[in-house]
Amino acid sequence: AQTVTQSQPEMSVQEAETVTLSCTYDTSENNYYLFWYKQPPSRQMILVIRQEAYKQQNATENRFSVNFQKAAKSFSLKISDSQLGDTAMYFCAFKNYGGSQGNLIFGKGTKLSVKP
Amino acid sequence: DADVTQTPRNRITKTGKRIMLECSQTKGHDRMYWYRQDPGLGLRLIYYSFDVKDINKGEISDGYSVSRQAQAKFSLSLESAIPNQTALYFCATRPWQGLKGTEAFFGQGTRLTVV
Repeated sequence: AQTVTQSQPEMSVQEAETVTLSCTYDTSENNYYLFWYKQPPSRQMILVIRQEAYKQQNATENRFSVNFQKAAKSFSLKISDSQLGDTAMYFCAFKNYGGSQGNLIFGKGTKLSVKP
Repeated sequence: DADVTQTPRNRITKTGKRIMLECSQTKGHDRMYWYRQDPGLGLRLIYYSFDVKDINKGEISDGYSVSRQAQAKFSLSLESAIPNQTALYFCATRPWQGLKGTEAFFGQGTRLTVV
C-alpha cells in the first residue's frame, strides 16, 4: 500500500523568506502523480501544485516549486517570498495512475505560519 | 456558486442520532469521494463512487454508509453517531478523463461535532 509521510507537523517562516516543506512517499508503482494542497483557515482545500512522475522537470507555479526526487521518493515544496496569506495547513498527496488504486492518499499535514 | 457544495457547513448532534451529510456537484464529474479530516491524521478516505452503481469502501468505512442518488449527489450517513466521529468531513469530485483525471475538487467541508 502506498503511504505519504510529512515529517514536519509545524513550521514557521518570516514574511518574504523562503521555506521548504518535506514529503516522502512509498510506492512500488512507476506511474503516479504527486500534489501539494493548501488548507487556509477557511478550510477550503486548494491545489497548489502537481507533478507527474514521468516528468523529470520539477513543477513550478509562481512562488511555489517542488523538488521531485523519484529515486529517493521525495517531493518537497518550496515557497519563495513567503506571504502572510501562505499561512495554512499543507498536505502532500499521492495518486496512482488509475483504476481502483487511483484514489488520493494524503500525508498528515504541515501547519505553516508566516510571521510578519 | 461553488462547484462542489456540502450541507450543512456545521452540525452538532447527539450520540446515537442518525445524521446525513450531503454533497452535490455541478462539475459533471463521475467520481465522488468522502474524506474525514482529524488533527494530526490528515485526510482519510471513507467511501468513494465511480458512478451511481459503483460504490466502494475506503480506508475507514466502519460506522458510515453512503448513497449515490444521482451522478451529481453523494450523501454520507452516520447511522448512530458517536463522539469519535467528531471531525471535519470533505466531499470531493474528480473527472475520469485519462491524464486529466488527476486533480480532485473539494467542497468546503462539514464540521461535525457529536456530543
